[in-house]
Amino acid sequence: AQSVAQPEDQVNVAEGNPLTVKCTYSVSGNPYLFWYVQYPNRGLQFLLKYITGDNLVKGSYGFEAEFNKSQTSFHLKKPSALVSDSALYFCAVRDIDDMRFGAGTRLTVKP
Amino acid sequence: EAQVTQNPRYLITVTGKKLTVTCSQNMNHEYMSWYRQDPGLGLRQIYYSMNVEVTDKGDVPEGYKVSRKEKRNFPLILESPSPNQTSLYFCASSLDRSPLHFGNGTRLTVT
Repeated sequence: AQSVAQPEDQVNVAEGNPLTVKCTYSVSGNPYLFWYVQYPNRGLQFLLKYITGDNLVKGSYGFEAEFNKSQTSFHLKKPSALVSDSALYFCAVRDIDDMRFGAGTRLTVKP
Repeated sequence: EAQVTQNPRYLITVTGKKLTVTCSQNMNHEYMSWYRQDPGLGLRQIYYSMNVEVTDKGDVPEGYKVSRKEKRNFPLILESPSPNQTSLYFCASSLDRSPLHFGNGTRLTVT
């Protein structure tokens, strides 16, 4: 069965600095990988996904994620963080039938 | 506007009193699912539905029921709620098994 881990509960960055939110996964076949964001009192919003192809995936709000097969990672990145990026971020992996979410990483961007 | 609508947003109830959380989507999506979100555990799938009259258990189905009589609606039913079902619930819809649109959530407290 597949699994996903977000090793950091909390990530703090200063506005304007680059940010990285880490995700590692375990899956038996080829993974489908996803990032979602949850703003306060809202549902999750889809950010981006990797199915196949280019290892660097671009998504909404200037975010991107890099698929690294050898390290089984799918880290979320943004070159320049905004205060409005502060939210809870979830990584997810999908096998043929099942979807698994990580526990989430709270990103705080300070002015 | 593409929407997944959940009601109610907040619900406080007592042990054993049957309740229903409604979910409706306006995108003609075939796939709908229910998740619960608990701190440190991320999202866990309760039930999902591939199409009308087709439902299946997710990872944590105990104590829940669902129905899919129409494509747009996917209510979550708790026949006899217990305190361990206190949680934040999300409905989601998509064209495939990867949830794309989420509702804004229902915060349920069972005392």
